[in-house]
Amino acid sequence: AQSVTQLDSQVPVFEEAPVELRCNYSSSVSVYLFWYVQYPNQGLQLLLKYLSGSTLVKGINGFEAEFNKSQTSFHLRKPSVHISDTAEYFCAVSGRNSGNTPLVFGKGTRLSVIA
Amino acid sequence: GAGVSQSPRYKVAKRGQDVALRCDPISGHVSLFWYQQALGQGPEFLTYFQNEAQLDKSGLPSDRFFAERPEGSVSTLKIQRTQQEDSAVYLCASSPDRVGEQYFGPGTRLTVT
Repeated sequence: AQSVTQLDSQVPVFEEAPVELRCNYSSSVSVYLFWYVQYPNQGLQLLLKYLSGSTLVKGINGFEAEFNKSQTSFHLRKPSVHISDTAEYFCAVSGRNSGNTPLVFGKGTRLSVIA
Repeated sequence: GAGVSQSPRYKVAKRGQDVALRCDPISGHVSLFWYQQALGQGPEFLTYFQNEAQLDKSGLPSDRFFAERPEGSVSTLKIQRTQQEDSAVYLCASSPDRVGEQYFGPGTRLTVT
């Protein structure tokens, strides 16, 4: 079984400042890792994913994340945020099995970008 | 192209009523997932279909919850005798069966009064 901890429930940040949203996971097996974004009254949109290979993963909207196996972390970063980045961000994990498996999500981090 | 659609977007039910929530996945997607998202929480897995076969229903919280996908496309999540604790957003996701590529619908917000 897997679990995900998002250490910050809310992160306020000024526009054009950098941001890091933290995510730690626990699993007895190897995992795939994901970050999703949820805008108000919308479904989840995939920002980026780590499956294998380079531990630095680049996604949409200028976001990137780094997989750190020793620290079981997958923190999301953006060097300069925009007002439009205001949303809920979810870190998720799935077991590294064959085929599709359900995602296990963290509780989310609400990013508020201040003008 | 068309994404995952869900209907209704909002549903208010009186305690004890039955409800049916519909999910139209992306055409051709083999896998379909249902998740429940309580207020202020992340989504939690309910059940998973591959084509018409329900391969995992371990997340369904009680026997009042039932899901089907009879022709391997549209899926319906049914909740019988709704309770207040069923109030949540119900999310559907479909996947072409490649790892990680789950595409989510906008969700159905269920409020049980």
